[in-house]
Amino acid sequence: EVVMTQSPATLSVSPGERATLSCRASQSVSSNLAWYQDKSGQAPRLLVYAASTRATGVPARFSGSGSGTEFTLTISSLQSEDFAVYYCQQYNNWPLTFGGGTKVEIK
Amino acid sequence: QVQLVESGGGVVQPGRSLRLSCAGSGFIFSSNDMHWVRQPPGKGLEWVAMISYDGSSKHYADSVKGRFTISRDNSKNTLYVQINSLRDEDTAVYYCAKKGTGVGHFLDSWGQGTLVTVSS
Repeated sequence: EVVMTQSPATLSVSPGERATLSCRASQSVSSNLAWYQDKSGQAPRLLVYAASTRATGVPARFSGSGSGTEFTLTISSLQSEDFAVYYCQQYNNWPLTFGGGTKVEIK
Repeated sequence: QVQLVESGGGVVQPGRSLRLSCAGSGFIFSSNDMHWVRQPPGKGLEWVAMISYDGSSKHYADSVKGRFTISRDNSKNTLYVQINSLRDEDTAVYYCAKKGTGVGHFLDSWGQGTLVTVSS
C-alpha cells in the first residue's frame, strides 16, 4: 500500500501567519491527492482534491500544490477557525490511505 | 444539501458482531460510490471500505478484509457495514462518506460518525 507521511506532526502558528503543511507519498500518486480538515466533534471536511483544486466553499487562503510524491497545503493567513488537524489522502491506488495528520495549533 | 447519518454504534464485547448503517439524503444515493472511514479515539483517519454505486465493486483495507462486509440498499438510501469478530482495535468512530464529484475517490461529504467501543 501507499504510505503517506505528513510533516510536521504539530505546527505552532500565530493568527495571521502562514502555515505550510507537507505530505509525502511512498510512491507516485500523480495528482490524486486530497486534503481534509478535522475538528474535534465534527465531521472531517474536504478542502482540496486533485492536489490543487479547492472544494466548494473553501476559502481562497487554502491552497494545495505538488504532484508525484511531494505535496503541500498552504494556509496563507491563519484564522481562528483554522486551528485543527489536517490530513492528506491518496486515491491513486487501492487501498486508499491517509497520512498521520498535522495538528495546527495556536502559538 | 447532502446529509449522511450513521447509526448502530455502541459498546460490544470482543468476538461479537455489529452492523452499522448510514442513511443518505439530499443527493442521488443510487448514483454515488460510498465509503466507510474510521478514527480510533485520539488517532488519525483510517479508510475502511468502498462500495460502488450499484454494489458491483467493493474494496477493503487489509486490516479489515475477511471480517468487514460493506453493502447498500439503494431502495432505502442506506449504506451498511457488517463487522464480525470484533477486536479491541476496532474501537473507533465510524464515518460514512460520499465519493466526490469528479475523477477519483476523494470524499466530499461525511457524516458525524457513530462510536463503536469494543470492551468486555
